[in-house]
This record gives sequence, C-alpha cells and structure tokens, in this order.
Amino acid sequence: DAKTTQPTSMDCAEGRAANLPCNHSTISGNEYVYWYRQIHSQGPQYIIHGLKNNETNEMASLIITEDRKSSTLILPHATLRDTAVYYCIVVGGFAGGTSYGKLTFGQGTILTVHP
Amino acid sequence: GAGVSQSPSNKVTEKGKDVELRCDPISGHTALYWYRQSLGQGLEFLIYFQGNSAPDKSGLPSDRFSAERTGGSVSTLTIQRTQQEDSAVYLCASRQSGSDTQYFGPGTRLTVL
Repeated sequence: DAKTTQPTSMDCAEGRAANLPCNHSTISGNEYVYWYRQIHSQGPQYIIHGLKNNETNEMASLIITEDRKSSTLILPHATLRDTAVYYCIVVGGFAGGTSYGKLTFGQGTILTVHP
Repeated sequence: GAGVSQSPSNKVTEKGKDVELRCDPISGHTALYWYRQSLGQGLEFLIYFQGNSAPDKSGLPSDRFSAERTGGSVSTLTIQRTQQEDSAVYLCASRQSGSDTQYFGPGTRLTVL
C-alpha cells in the first residue's frame, strides 16, 4: 500500500472549517483513500473514503485531486469533540491482494479544536 | 445497529499469567482483524480472519500469541506467559464482505505488572 504524509499537528477554531491535507503521491489506480480518527482512549473511527471522486457524508467531505496524489479532509464546522488524531490511509482495492485490507496507520495529524 | 464490542475494557495481570481478550464483531461481518497499539505508537496488525479460510497470522509477535474465531463470529485473542512489553491497547475490527471499510471496537487496555 502507498505511503501517506500528513502534517504532525493542526489547530482550528471551534465553528470553523478544519482542512486536513494528505499526500499520497505513490498511490496506484485501484487504491482507495481512507480517513479514520482516534479520539483519546477510544478505538479508531471510520470517517470517509474515496477513490477518485469527491465524497461527502454526515461527518465530513473528502476532496481528492485529479491526479490522486493528494487529498483533503474537510470538517465543515469543527467542534471541541472533533479534537483527535486523524489518519489518512491508502488501502488496496477490496481485499487488496495479499494485504487483505490490513490497515497501516502512520502518525496522523493531531487536530486541536479550540474555543 | 450494534458496533464491534470488546471485553474486558481493562485488564491488569501479573507477568507470566495468561490472558484472554474477546471480540464480538458486527453481525454479518465476515472479516475480523486484531491490532495492538502500544503507548504513543501507531496500530500494529496482529492477525486476520476471513470466513472459513486459514487466518493470516503474520503479525503475531511471538508464539505466546494466538487467536481463534469460533463459528465465524466471536474471536478470542490469547496471550500466554504475559510480559511487560505486552502492555498495550488491543483493538479488534470487522469488515463486511465486498467492502474495505473496517469498524473498530473500543479496545482492551492490557497492563502487565
């Protein structure tokens, strides 16, 4: 699976949009971009994923560049409860060959939402 | 619907004792994963079950670690003769067939004294 690069930390004011970038320049054609987050002392929580089109759900929006080498997770109206570590992960298309969809979490981005 | 559940939420044990950690996946999910997260570290893959296929045990750190999945549902991770370096949060995730999305449980925090 392709490696991802994320900033170590970011701050955001409550009520503002949080835009979290991720670089995945070695992504291949059948690999998806997944975002998870981990709030302190909890298990990782799935947020959103996409292949090449932009995606939106009740939690967030995912913008993937046309060349698919980078993406941005957008939390439109951040709240204090969105403070967490956000992980961008590239996953081989279903059952990703020998990877069986094993997730490899990097260090992620520590997002701090402040009042 | 119900998510992935794990028990116990916390386990404190003495070095050398055996422990069993339980995972109840989301109903109908055929794939089940175990990961562990040591303090300040990322997630480390341990083992993967898919239906009735042989599990992928490539992530188990030693032969003291084993896991089984009975009836294609509940899974138990067993650590024999625990060591202090086994202290970590053990996370279970499940995935339905045809999807790459894994859903995680809350984890079991294991502390080996």
